[in-house]
Amino acid sequence: GDSVTQMEGPVTLSEEAFLTINCTYTATGYPSLFWYVQYPGEGLQLLLKATKADDKGSNKGFEATYRKETTSFHLEKGSVQVSDSAVYFCALTQNQAGTALIFGKGTTLSVSS
Amino acid sequence: GAVVSQHPSWVICKSGTSVKIECRSLDFQATTMFWYRQFPKQSLMLMATSNEGSKATYEQGVEKDKFLINHASLTLSTLTVTSAHPEDSSFYICSAELPGSGNTIYFGEGSWLTVV
Repeated sequence: GDSVTQMEGPVTLSEEAFLTINCTYTATGYPSLFWYVQYPGEGLQLLLKATKADDKGSNKGFEATYRKETTSFHLEKGSVQVSDSAVYFCALTQNQAGTALIFGKGTTLSVSS
Repeated sequence: GAVVSQHPSWVICKSGTSVKIECRSLDFQATTMFWYRQFPKQSLMLMATSNEGSKATYEQGVEKDKFLINHASLTLSTLTVTSAHPEDSSFYICSAELPGSGNTIYFGEGSWLTVV
């Protein structure tokens, strides 16, 4: 079945450092890909998404490109802030109504000043 | 934008009792809602897919008699944890699919359940 694999965390960075969180997927067909962020004690917020190959999703300085040839959707940010500290989940869904999101295990990011 | 709301955000119950968590789509009608469970520092595990007017579809390993899901209207799905035990303590999150959106899904804020 479909699955998502994320790099193990935690990731610890200093403020203004460059961030990469790797995500690869296994899926049939052409799924949509997502990054969600979860701040402590809260639910999930959609960070960005891409629905087809070579699409780039971007939001709040984060970006990720849908690479079908490498089945990847790595999350990047050029300069992280303390407020970016959270857990980041990569997810996919088949583009069919009634199909749930499949999540990776999540990567904890901790940014210090 | 579209909003999904869960209630309660926090609930503590005694072992052996039942607790109900509500998930509402506030400004759209959701024919499909999803219930997830998240253990501390772990990923979200899909428990069941809830379809309005029909029985929920449970994932393998999820006890349907313990986790009762009702989707009686297009804006409300409920999860009832029956005869709760401490091991049921977890973060429960619902999500709802925006119809005709190309599989756009919105998440509720989550509900923390602690069974003592």
